[in-house]
Amino acid sequence: DAGVIQSPRHEVTEMGQEVTLRCKPISGHDYLFWYRQTMMRGLELLIYFNNNVPIDDSGMPEDRFSAKMPNASFSTLKIQPSEPRDSAVYFCASTGGGRHNEQFFGPGTRLTVL
Amino acid sequence: KNEVEQSPQNLTAQEGEFITINCSYSVGISALHWLQQHPGGGIVSLFMLSSGKKKHGRLIATINIQEKHSSLHITASHPRDSAVYICAVFMDMGRRALTFGSGTRLQVQP
Repeated sequence: DAGVIQSPRHEVTEMGQEVTLRCKPISGHDYLFWYRQTMMRGLELLIYFNNNVPIDDSGMPEDRFSAKMPNASFSTLKIQPSEPRDSAVYFCASTGGGRHNEQFFGPGTRLTVL
Repeated sequence: KNEVEQSPQNLTAQEGEFITINCSYSVGISALHWLQQHPGGGIVSLFMLSSGKKKHGRLIATINIQEKHSSLHITASHPRDSAVYICAVFMDMGRRALTFGSGTRLQVQP
């Protein structure tokens, strides 16, 4: 398996623009997570899905952020409009529903909002 | 106070030294995760623990649920072990998501 795939790997945009980050989880995994990593706050959960249904979105910063999972092999995280404080590395991770729940992380998307 | 605390924040060691990184948490958990993040940024899972001890190569992880504490040990450290090590916990039985410590930055010098 190719592992968790994220695109793009790097994104530079201007304040006010819409940004869409993409994630393909490992085939067969039924949980998908979006995390954000910044120098100030470290790693934080934004939202996670189980069987394509959002379970906990309490980490989503505000209405400018939205996430979807239209099918088991694809998820998006959208920021509209983007702001400089959204600059961070965004990680997607997936796991199967097994007991040990080890999460597998994608390579991350480094977002810079100017 | 953070729910997951790691110590030390930074650690410099000489090649060959035995290294210990500590993680304490203040809430009930169902499991604890040790992650490694290399300078390139990728995150790799090292261990998933709910009790006792696990060993993989030169890495050993232990957890004491009653004391709410876990340790990650590296024996015979090597410069390639230089990375940020992150402790993360699954809080509560029902939740699947991870709550993260702030990480320990390890530098192993040759």
